[in-house]
Amino acid sequence: QVQLTEWGAGLLKPSETLSLTCSVSGGSLAGYYWSWIRQSPGKGLEWIGEINHRESGTFNPSLKGRLGMSVDMPKNQFSLILNSVTAADTAVYFCATFDVAHTPYGAHDYWGQGILVTVSS
Amino acid sequence: EIVMTQSPATLSGSPGERATLSCRASQNIDHKLAWYRHKPGQAPSLLIFGASTRATSVSDRITGTGSGTEFMLTINSLQSEDGAVFYCQQYKDWPRTFGQGTKIEIK
Repeated sequence: QVQLTEWGAGLLKPSETLSLTCSVSGGSLAGYYWSWIRQSPGKGLEWIGEINHRESGTFNPSLKGRLGMSVDMPKNQFSLILNSVTAADTAVYFCATFDVAHTPYGAHDYWGQGILVTVSS
Repeated sequence: EIVMTQSPATLSGSPGERATLSCRASQNIDHKLAWYRHKPGQAPSLLIFGASTRATSVSDRITGTGSGTEFMLTINSLQSEDGAVFYCQQYKDWPRTFGQGTKIEIK
């Protein structure tokens, strides 16, 4: 069973760069799409983007221009970069993926526990 | 982008009652809809994909129906564990989009 664990800096100042990594255990990065999803305080879920092991991905247009994703195959992890953060980027960030044997591409049945990132001066 | 609209925003029910949640897509998404249950401090949990297929280990009290633009999630015989926020999500197109959620409160 795939397990995901997010890690990274939890407190940023406005204009700084958010950098999060998701470590994958119980499975390989190859053959899957790996997503980032966030939940701002008191709000719903927002899909940020996804990437595969070839670093081909799709990003949410609302964040495009500030957003980057990468994969590290030897370390079995993938990362999220969000530039020029503001208070509006304060959220719990989740990494997620799907079980290719049972679940269609686009749904997410494996999630990390989430990491709170706060942007405050 | 495809806008997902859920109703009601909050639903209150007693144990044993049935809850019906609605999700509407702003354009046709065929059956490419998932439902999640999200409890505070936890990761969301996939309940339904393909509009009506239960994910692994999901109780048969939970049923998804619909296609096109109108979808429903029905939870029979509410239990205390059903207290959570439920989200629908379309995966017909990018960006993937979620509804704003329906909160179920157990009386």
